[in-house]
Amino acid sequence: AQSVAQPEDQVNVAEGNPLTVKCTYSVSGNPYLFWYVQYPNRGLQFLLKYITGDNLVKGSYGFEAEFNKSQTSFHLKKPSALVSDSALYFCAVRDPGYSSASKIIFGSGTRLSIRP
Amino acid sequence: DVKVTQSSRYLVKRTGEKVFLECVQDMDHENMFWYRQDPGLGLRLIYFSYDVKMKEKGDIPEGYSVSREKKERFSLILESASTNQTSMYLCASSLQGVRGSPLHFGNGTRLTVT
Repeated sequence: AQSVAQPEDQVNVAEGNPLTVKCTYSVSGNPYLFWYVQYPNRGLQFLLKYITGDNLVKGSYGFEAEFNKSQTSFHLKKPSALVSDSALYFCAVRDPGYSSASKIIFGSGTRLSIRP
Repeated sequence: DVKVTQSSRYLVKRTGEKVFLECVQDMDHENMFWYRQDPGLGLRLIYFSYDVKMKEKGDIPEGYSVSREKKERFSLILESASTNQTSMYLCASSLQGVRGSPLHFGNGTRLTVT
């Protein structure tokens, strides 16, 4: 069965410091992996995805994520945090072995707080 | 840019009422989804539709139904609202046939059932 875990409910970082939001997953095949961000009172916005190829993927707003197959992880990173990065972040995984596009599993979310 | 519009941002309904949540997307996406979001639980899929009049149950379909009469519109129906259906409801759409096509979300409807 597919699963995705975000082990930290909250991450606190000082502005200008690097940030990491962790995600680990479990699927039977090669996964499609996604990060989404949710600002207050808004829906989720797509940040980046890994399908195949280079393990380091770059996305919106200066974010990047590294796919690590041996550790089954897909951590979200940014070299220098901004106060405006404060939001709720969701990792999601899809096993392409399932034909239905509905088989997308979301993590429970990590609240990122950047202090000035 | 894809726009997914949910008709209401906030709704307050009474227990036992029939509730309609409407969602419209403007990018001709085949797939449409209804999720509910609760703190600490992430997003849970209620129903999915991959074509007009076609639907699949998600993880938590009990107490809900859906309607997709037109490609751009996907409605979530709470047949008889209950207090445990108080939640944030998110509609999303995506393209079919594109590897790793991301979901595009509406801004959500926060439903309170009293």
